[in-house]
Amino acid sequence: NAGVTQTPKFRILKIGQSMTLQCTQDMNHNYMYWYRQDPGMGLKLIYYSVGAGITDKGEVPNGYNVSRSTTEDFPLRLELAAPSQTSVYFCASSGLAVSYEQYFGPGTRLTVT
Amino acid sequence: AQTVTQSQPEMSVQEAETVTLSCTYDTSESDYYLFWYKQPPSRQMILVIRQEAYKQQNATENRFSVNFQKAAKSFSLKISDSQLGDAAMYFCAYLTGTASKLTFGTGTRLQVTL
Repeated sequence: NAGVTQTPKFRILKIGQSMTLQCTQDMNHNYMYWYRQDPGMGLKLIYYSVGAGITDKGEVPNGYNVSRSTTEDFPLRLELAAPSQTSVYFCASSGLAVSYEQYFGPGTRLTVT
Repeated sequence: AQTVTQSQPEMSVQEAETVTLSCTYDTSESDYYLFWYKQPPSRQMILVIRQEAYKQQNATENRFSVNFQKAAKSFSLKISDSQLGDAAMYFCAYLTGTASKLTFGTGTRLQVTL
């Protein structure tokens, strides 16, 4: 049981480039989330999904896009990368369980220069 | 919107001693969950403890316990018998039932000294 996996672990982008951060979970969770963590700060919600085909904006969605074509996958797309998007990105998932615990991936460190 | 405040950017504790990390939150909801997450240098987010707002009893997980004061909107974490492996960033988080979204505090960095 791998849980939540993210690729890549590290990436350096030039300003204006685009990329997709991959996230996959094997726990059959309906809810999935993308967070960003800036240095010395807590995590902020970018986008979330409550099921395949359903996505919605979180607190800081500008500059990002998501899709959810399957239960397992929830990729995050960065278009026209900017230095302000330098951050660590976490994907998480949660089942419809009483505990509402979110399970986090290991994170992707992204640097935009 | 809910907010979570951690007023202690850094804390230090000696090994085997007890330390308390503070967290306050603001909400108009009556039903919610609160969490403490640990983030070691590996970056992995690890759930430490959770508290359901409808439960008056404070949650306990081995050396970790909380002091949940619902009226005061306070949710502190007590670590007993601190160990070197407890050194990490600790984040307080509030979960709202709508899509189970988490709102995080800014974190407290805990140092454990010999």
